[in-house]
Amino acid sequence: EAGVTQFPSHSVIEKGQTVTLRCDPISGHDNLYWYRRVMGKEIKFLLHFVKESKQDESGMPNNRFLAERTGGTYSTLKVQPAELEDSGVYFCASSGGSGEWYNEQFFGPGTRLTVL
Amino acid sequence: AQSVTQLGSHVSVSEGALVLLRCNYSSSVPPYLFWYVQYPNQGLQLLLKYTSAATLVKGINGFEAEFKKSETSFHLTKPSAHMSDAAEYFCAVSGFSGGYNKLIFGAGTRLAVHP
Repeated sequence: EAGVTQFPSHSVIEKGQTVTLRCDPISGHDNLYWYRRVMGKEIKFLLHFVKESKQDESGMPNNRFLAERTGGTYSTLKVQPAELEDSGVYFCASSGGSGEWYNEQFFGPGTRLTVL
Repeated sequence: AQSVTQLGSHVSVSEGALVLLRCNYSSSVPPYLFWYVQYPNQGLQLLLKYTSAATLVKGINGFEAEFKKSETSFHLTKPSAHMSDAAEYFCAVSGFSGGYNKLIFGAGTRLAVHP
């Protein structure tokens, strides 16, 4: 069974440019989460999809970040325009069930974003 | 609100020595606690989780953690470190959002194992 995949693994862009990150969850998982780790700090929750609906987007930093999950399968996270402080590792996770705490979240390897 | 504090961003042990990684949590409701491990170039992998069924939780690769409510702690231990245990370890608490689960992480502890 394929795990959670993320693309690209690394992205280097200049301030002001746009970047789109993609996450493919485990097949059949309705719950999809985005997290971010800024260098040396804790991993922080960004948002949670249940199928194609945003269940919780309380962690999204600002309106430069746009997440979508059309059709309830893969998800994209777009940053437009990117700022220096957006640099970090973006993790995606998915889980089965209805998002209860006991459903394990399976994480992808992350996308390392560097904004110059 | 929930939060997690991991004491020590870097821990170094000798192969065969005891591994102790510290985690303290803050939670206004009974917590659900997790330890994740990240090996180089891989995603986070669940080591173990506290479900309130037992205070001593056993996980994969010989790791275990003990929930101590009085100390608000959930420290991770392994009796004998192996070179393959070198990785970054994250403690997390489940933060409820309308009944759904989002994880609140500590800053991570990088474990080095030397011969």
